[in-house]
Order: sequence, then structure tokens, then C-alpha cells
Amino acid sequence: QSALTQPRSVSGSPGQSVTISCTGTSSDVGGRNFVSWYQQHPGEAPKLIICDVTERPSGVPDRFSGSRSGNTAFLTISGLQPEDEADYHCCSHAGTYTSGYVFGSGTTVTVL
Amino acid sequence: EVQLVESGGGLVQPGGSLRLSCAASGFTFRNYWMHWVRQVPGKGLVWLSGIKSDGSDTIYADSVKGRFTMSRDNTGNTLYLQMDNLRADDSALYYCIKELSQDFDYWGQGTLVTVSS
Repeated sequence: QSALTQPRSVSGSPGQSVTISCTGTSSDVGGRNFVSWYQQHPGEAPKLIICDVTERPSGVPDRFSGSRSGNTAFLTISGLQPEDEADYHCCSHAGTYTSGYVFGSGTTVTVL
Repeated sequence: EVQLVESGGGLVQPGGSLRLSCAASGFTFRNYWMHWVRQVPGKGLVWLSGIKSDGSDTIYADSVKGRFTMSRDNTGNTLYLQMDNLRADDSALYYCIKELSQDFDYWGQGTLVTVSS
């Protein structure tokens, strides 16, 4: 199972919007409604910020949003804040019961 | 408060074995699928294995199938990962994770495994 493809890094100034892509295949990202995104600050465990492609768990700021087009999922951070500087990982169910899950390669967001 | 606390990591020689544990609290452990994910520091996350809520089924990534065995004790609220025939590329931080409807909603802090001679 190959990792989903994410850009290595993106950056933006405070208040700007940034979008991270996560490209898979029709078997995973494009074919399942189980795409999630995780935020990871240095030295910390990942935290769920988007589930089921577009849903935000309780407590996650509404500046984080998820979407999908074809085999690519997107995480958009609107109104970038300094505390949003972190690594972001996408994840998808891999398509069949026995194939489990596949993560993206990870994207570092830098707030300029 | 949900807590997942991993233990059992350490230094092991290539070809050796380790057993990781994850003590769960703050939720009804026996009702949820659980998973293990690993991360080489500075790199991406890699899903390794999952186990059904009652322990009756397990699934594995190809990279660990046949070498790693996941199990659980629903009486003691503990998750396990038995790792055999370890290789240098198994060196990573190993996370224990609770699943909620195909999303990973709670993560432990991880336990570090180093495979080296």
C-alpha cells in the first residue's frame, strides 16, 4: 500500500489561507468517505482535526475545513494563526477490510 | 478523560523480539477497534495493525504481516503488539490508537523502539 501524496511543505502569513492536498487513488481517497486529517506539533502525538472528509470534531476551530475532489482530499486552514504551525497528515481507509489504512507523507505548515 | 499509555519500547538487536503494551482508560475499551501506528522521527505516519473490539479479528500492513501480532485483554483494558524478527527499519516511535468510526480519535504519547546491534 503506497503512502498518499502530500506536498512536503506549505507556508503562509498570519491571517492568510493555506490548502494542503492529499492524493490517493479511487480505491482509497476517491472511493471511501473515511478520509481524516491529523495535526502534529513537535514532540507531541497527532490530533484528529478532520474526520469523514469534511467533519470537524468537537473543539476543533472552524478555520480548519476539509474537502475532496476526485482522488484528492484537501485541508484548508483559513485565517492562519501562529499556533497552526505544525505537521499535518492525511489518512484514508485503504479500500478493503483487510487492507487497513494508509497515511499521507505529511506536510509541514510554516507561519511566516 | 481518555488515556492511552504505551510501554515496552527499548533497544533490541536485529532479529530480536519486543512486546509493546498500551494501558487504556477513560472509555469502554471492549467496545472499540484499536490500532498501532508508527513514526520514524521527522517522517510520516505508518499504519501497522488493527484489532476488532472483541479481539476476534486482526488486520496487518504487509510490512509487518507474519512478524507482528496484535492482541488485547478486554478484562485488563490493555492492548499488545508482539514484534518478532525485528529489523533496523522497524526503529520508530510506536503509537497506540483508539478508533471511532474509521477515524483515529485518541492517540497515546508513543513508545520508542530502536533496533540496532
